[in-house]
Parts: sequence; C-alpha cells; structure tokens
Amino acid sequence: GQNIDQPTEMTATEGAIVQINCTYQTSGFNGLFWYQQHAGEAPTFLSYNVLDGLEEKGRFSSFLSRSKGYSYLLLKELQMKDSASYLCAVNGNAGNMLTFGGGTRLMVKP
Amino acid sequence: GAGVSQTPSNKVTEKGKYVELRCDPISGHTALYWYRQSLGQGPEFLIYFQGTGAADDSGLPNDRFFAVRPEGSVSTLKIQRTERGDSAVYLCASSDNGASGNTIYFGEGSWLTVV
Repeated sequence: GQNIDQPTEMTATEGAIVQINCTYQTSGFNGLFWYQQHAGEAPTFLSYNVLDGLEEKGRFSSFLSRSKGYSYLLLKELQMKDSASYLCAVNGNAGNMLTFGGGTRLMVKP
Repeated sequence: GAGVSQTPSNKVTEKGKYVELRCDPISGHTALYWYRQSLGQGPEFLIYFQGTGAADDSGLPNDRFFAVRPEGSVSTLKIQRTERGDSAVYLCASSDNGASGNTIYFGEGSWLTVV
C-alpha cells in the first residue's frame, strides 16, 4: 500500500524560514515531488528528489532520505504569497503516477 | 497549447445525470493523467494514459467512471449516473512521457458539483 503523511496546517511569519515534513511508506520508490497549490488553482511543480540529499532552488529547498522514508520542503525568506497548500507526492511505480499526501496548508502572517 | 486546458471549469449537475469532462494536454505530451481532489485533501489518482491506451486505470472508483483518449491527445472523463459523492475537482495532468521524474503539469481542474 501507499501511505504519505504531512502536517495538515502550519503558520509562519513573513521573512522567516519554515520546514514542511513528509514521511512516506510505499511499495516502490521512483522519486518524490513537491507541489504548491493556491486555493482554487492547479498544483504547480516545485521540486523533484530521487537521490538522497538536498536540492536547492532559490528560496525553496527539498531534502530526501530514502532509508528513512522522509522528505522536507524548506522555504526561506517567507513572503505573503507563499500562503498555499504544499503537496508531497511519491512516484511509487512505473508510469510516473503520483500518490499524494493530504497537503499542508501554510499561512504566512505579517 | 501552452498549458493543460480543461473544460468545463465548473459543472453543476443533478444526481443521476451523465457528465463529460474534457482535457487538452500540453502539445506533444504522450502521458496524460486524471486525478480527483476533494476539499482539503490531496489529489487522488484515477487513470493514466500512455498514448491512446489506458496504461493504468486502477484508480477509477467504480464502473460508472470511464475515460478515453482516442487519438492520443485530448482525453474525456465520463461519469455515468452521478452521485453526490462524485462532487470534487477533477484534475488533468500531462508529462512529456511516462518516464519517472518527468515533471507533471496540471490543469486548472473541472469543479463538479452533483446536487
């Protein structure tokens, strides 16, 4: 089976750093994606990790530990526009089908 | 097109009616996916096409749901005898091919409400 867990909600302050964790238990593993989704909009791609370690892309970084079934998304220098849901998704089998977690709703406050 | 296009953006239908939701993927993308997302939850996989064929339809909840992609481009998700529990956002996505790691691009979704 596939199980992906992430916190339901988080709150952070503008300008600060926030880390959103994701743990997964899947029957296979071909990579982990993070998506950002603003209310009423399509999910948009943020990052992809398939090897252990940290991938940095501007203000956003994503980390993966395959042995621990664990990833996190790190957002630096938070801006109000970063208020959104952040979706962790695992590609557990062929065909690049993704299994998503429930999403973490991040609220950035002034 | 520039992005994944879905129509209609909103659909309200009565319980028991038939609906069709259309997806036009990014030009040249051979892989197409349908997901369903309920409020406050993550997207749930329904079906995956590679070209014209359904490579994996294991996510379709029951036989009221069916999808086609006859020419390997546009896809239609068909729901028969709709039920109130079918109310959700139906997201279509596409990627260059079905290879692992290729970025999957989502459309804006079709918001279905069954009353």
